[in-house]
Amino acid sequence: EVVLTQSPATLSLSPGERGTLSCRASQSISTFLAWYQQKPGQAPRLLIYDASNRATGIPARFSGRGSGTDFTLTISSLEPEDFAVYYCQQRDKWPFTFGPGTKVDIK
Amino acid sequence: EVQLVESGGGLVQPGGSLRLSCAASGFSVSSNYMSWVRQAPGKGLEWVSLIYSDGRTYYTDSVKGRFTISRHNSMNTLYLQVNSLRGEDTAVYYCVRENQNWGRGTLVTVSS
Repeated sequence: EVVLTQSPATLSLSPGERGTLSCRASQSISTFLAWYQQKPGQAPRLLIYDASNRATGIPARFSGRGSGTDFTLTISSLEPEDFAVYYCQQRDKWPFTFGPGTKVDIK
Repeated sequence: EVQLVESGGGLVQPGGSLRLSCAASGFSVSSNYMSWVRQAPGKGLEWVSLIYSDGRTYYTDSVKGRFTISRHNSMNTLYLQVNSLRGEDTAVYYCVRENQNWGRGTLVTVSS
């Protein structure tokens, strides 16, 4: 099973700051990595697919990069609605797996 | 517009069964890969099962032999038959189209 590790577990930032979230895979997954945002009581929302492609309707302040085992999600300038939990997920090998999440909270 | 609406969750005793349904609109469930993903209360996400357009199915190890994913093409509905339920199956179960569109989920609670 591909294990995804996310860091940091919590990221405390102020609105307008830049946030960088990391996801590391236990083996190479090419670019078959997605990022999701989840707010309390809501379903996850797809932000980025295949490592660097923004999903429909996702603002340009969200960007993803990486391949192989190391991936990052960057939020260029945090808006108040961006405070949430972010998960990475791989679809290269079954079972598809998620990372444990990074909580982005208000500093 | 793509919509996914889950139903069928509820309170069930250990060892019991449920059938979860996901009514889809705006696309055909037979032309995409469809999945069930669950989230235990206060926990992370777990990909439970997947069915490809060609009918191949996959299950995470903890549910193999107990859960069955299927679809009814003419009703455009995805199902998850969940049997021999355990406390650790307690979760919100989400229906997912590929990895793009998610329903709101249906809560399954396994408790005596």
